[in-house]
Amino acid sequence: DAEITQSPRHKITETGRQVTLACHQTWNHNNMFWYRQDLGHGLRLIHYSYGVQDTNKGEVSDGYSVSRSNTEDLPLTLESAASSQTSVYFCASSANLGRPPYEQYFGPGTRLTVT
Amino acid sequence: DQQVKQNSPSLSVQEGRISILNCDYTNSMFDYFLWYKKYPAEGPTFLISISSIKDKNEDGRFTVFLNKSAKHLSLHIVPSQPGDSAVYFCAASRNTGNQFYFGTGTSLTVIP
Repeated sequence: DAEITQSPRHKITETGRQVTLACHQTWNHNNMFWYRQDLGHGLRLIHYSYGVQDTNKGEVSDGYSVSRSNTEDLPLTLESAASSQTSVYFCASSANLGRPPYEQYFGPGTRLTVT
Repeated sequence: DQQVKQNSPSLSVQEGRISILNCDYTNSMFDYFLWYKKYPAEGPTFLISISSIKDKNEDGRFTVFLNKSAKHLSLHIVPSQPGDSAVYFCAASRNTGNQFYFGTGTSLTVIP
């Protein structure tokens, strides 16, 4: 069965360290997204990609970067982790059909703590 | 600024009764809306959607209503079941349907 996985599921890191969160999907979807979930804010878009070599900034992209070298993976890198980046991170993917449904399939999430 | 708002952080309903979850949006360009359900320690899962050309969409126990003039949508669950206890997010998109703006979520508890 097609799926979307994230690793690690839990991560504790120190302020200033570089951290990379992995996202892998076997849906063969063109679109991939990274969100963070925080109390009082819901899900906020960090970065997204519509295909290989394509990346775009979302509403909370400062301090984060992504790269898309193949269809299946969109790793999220925190260049220099800050305590404000303590959050739960979700990766999602969707097909680029150009028509509904536009549903996104989400991974199980990564809980990141920056100390 | 939050473009999609869910003003009720939580809701409790008796099993068998109707659950009504509300969502408001500010951007009149939004033309496609989704509801997601999320259990603890899991990713959100798609529940139901509606296009702005419709005012109602049904799928089993779940119905979504859209009032474009009021920039308001609601999710009705009838009858509510204990397994419906979860956090519900509404999301809105404009034009492409690829980039969505999410609300803050409503935690629904269905009491047996």
